[in-house]
Amino acid sequence: AQSVTQLGSHVSVSEGALVLLRCNYSSSVPPYLFWYVQYPNQGLQLLLKYTTGATLVKGINGFEAEFKKSETSFHLTKPSAHMSDAAEYFCAVSLAGSARQLTFGSGTQLTVLP
Amino acid sequence: SAVISQKPSRDICQRGTSLTIQCQVDSQVTMMFWYRQQPGQSLTLIATANQGSEATYESGFVIDKFPISRPNLTFSTLTVSNMSPEDSSIYLCSVARGALSTEAFFGQGTRLTVV
Repeated sequence: AQSVTQLGSHVSVSEGALVLLRCNYSSSVPPYLFWYVQYPNQGLQLLLKYTTGATLVKGINGFEAEFKKSETSFHLTKPSAHMSDAAEYFCAVSLAGSARQLTFGSGTQLTVLP
Repeated sequence: SAVISQKPSRDICQRGTSLTIQCQVDSQVTMMFWYRQQPGQSLTLIATANQGSEATYESGFVIDKFPISRPNLTFSTLTVSNMSPEDSSIYLCSVARGALSTEAFFGQGTRLTVV
């Protein structure tokens, strides 16, 4: 079984500041890890994913995340926040081998202050 | 990528009635899933829609309440039966091209309000 914990249901940053959204996972097998973004009244869009290989993965819109097995973490970062980054962010894990049957974290609402 | 169309995008329904949500994909996919997102909550997997056979339901979800059909590789429906206000949620269709695909795509969701 796998689970995901997102620390901080709400995060506020100033425009231009660093964005850091935290995600820790639990999995009995090597996990696949994902970050999705959900804008108001829209579905989910994949930001980035880790499957195998390089532990630092880059995604769309300037986001990146680093898989740290020793810390069971997959934190999402962006060097400089933009107003358009305001959205709900979900970390998710699946059993290695597929993106099916994702287990999602509780989500983090990111607010970007002018 | 895959383009997913869900209908309706939103609906307001009377308690005790049923609503069928449609999910249409622009290309054939192996895996189709239905998720529920309750107000202010994360997504929870309801079931995997299997073509030509009964859907595989997750713990806490049953076929009588959430019957699912999948007649082909591009289409699926989810019915929310005998609705109550507790069923008010966003229902999302998700697809993955293959059983070993590393990316799942999501539809825009159906926002259901039961009154």
